[in-house]
Amino acid sequence: EAQVTQNPRYLITVTGKKLTVTCSQNMNHEYMSWYRQDPGLGLRQIYYSMNVEVTDKGDVPEGYKVSRKEKRNFPLILESPSPNQTSLYFCASSLLLGFMGTLDEQFFGPGTRLTVL
Amino acid sequence: KNEVEQSPQNLTAQEGEFITINCSYSVGISALHWLQQHPGGGIVSLFMLSSGKKKHGRLIATINIQEKHSSLHITASHPRDSAVYICAAEYTGTASKLTFGTGTRLQVTL
Repeated sequence: EAQVTQNPRYLITVTGKKLTVTCSQNMNHEYMSWYRQDPGLGLRQIYYSMNVEVTDKGDVPEGYKVSRKEKRNFPLILESPSPNQTSLYFCASSLLLGFMGTLDEQFFGPGTRLTVL
Repeated sequence: KNEVEQSPQNLTAQEGEFITINCSYSVGISALHWLQQHPGGGIVSLFMLSSGKKKHGRLIATINIQEKHSSLHITASHPRDSAVYICAAEYTGTASKLTFGTGTRLQVTL
């Protein structure tokens, strides 16, 4: 079954304690991305990757790190979480279309609800 | 700054009604995406448009490049269509980077 998996699904942590949210896809997609969703602000892109070892900042990259060492995995790292990173996080993957790199239909993970105390 | 605006923010309809959700963007785009977020939180991609019109079942998405506007239509609406509908733009020159609208919350009642 084609899917994007995220772990953990729920996490409560404390300020400053490093954490990693994993994301994995089984569709051999070149493109992967992380988003956060906050009430009243909607979805915002954190980081994205167009292929292995290629990552780019989205609109809200501050306080986050990513890596793309393998095509299937795209972990999101919070080195020193703060309460303003409390949010619902989604990972997604997609094929890229044409030489412009336009996104095809995206497949989303189930979301990770993070609370930083 | 590239922006995406959706209207209405909230929409209540009776079963069977024809529904239109609007999305406007500020400058040239390479593609416009429509997403559906279920009440449980899961997100599904509905359409990717760069021109014209696409149809999938009771859902129709259109885009007018000159007017910088896209619409999502739902024909013969049903309570299971109740969800948040989100549009997202890939702006020209920043392909693969998405800017999202804040979503339209649709409630379809019997």
